[in-house]
Amino acid sequence: SQQGEEDPQALSIQEGENATMNCSYKTSINNLQWYRQNSGRGLVHLILIRSNEREKHSGRLRVTLDTSKKSSSLLITASRAADTASYFCATDAHDYKLSFGAGTTVTVRA
Amino acid sequence: NAGVTQTPKFQVLKTGQSMTLQCAQDMNHEYMSWYRQDPGMGLRLIHYSVGAGITDQGEVPNGYNVSRSTTEDFPLRLLSAAPSQTSVYFCASSYSEGDEQFFGPGTRLTVL
Repeated sequence: SQQGEEDPQALSIQEGENATMNCSYKTSINNLQWYRQNSGRGLVHLILIRSNEREKHSGRLRVTLDTSKKSSSLLITASRAADTASYFCATDAHDYKLSFGAGTTVTVRA
Repeated sequence: NAGVTQTPKFQVLKTGQSMTLQCAQDMNHEYMSWYRQDPGMGLRLIHYSVGAGITDQGEVPNGYNVSRSTTEDFPLRLLSAAPSQTSVYFCASSYSEGDEQFFGPGTRLTVL
């Protein structure tokens, strides 16, 4: 079964706005990763946050992790049309298996 | 570096046929994995390998076989294709288990 669940399922925003999506998971983890998938393409790794980290930044991306609530959030600031994609969280729970959620579909309107 | 390559990109099979999806990586990664992606369900792990000669089952292994004779290659075999195996298949690799994964472009498989 899938460990992570993203919320919302879909998000539509205006160019320049921020986009926030959340991921909840069920068991203790070693790390949590976020990936992006453009339509019809393979997934691209965005950011990895370890269980002992609370926040991480990469360019316009900000990821937080709250292990007490078993949740993570991905913030994309100043969104662009090129950010239109599906975003997935994936958890590494010490069992050699990366478990993906169903994803959040983000549409950035011009 | 080519990264992770997959062949074919598209395939149509009839029920009962068998075939092999190819996956190769040139990054000397120890960990490789196969996922299937169905609409609204994200990626589900089929099989994975932590090194040459070592494979194990993921979440949805039934109907699929894998082998890992070299570090570079990790083929996925469909033994007797069924319509339920219609999906997009992704191969991925990483330096070790738990690291960021590099994905191939995918194989879109239709079973009639």
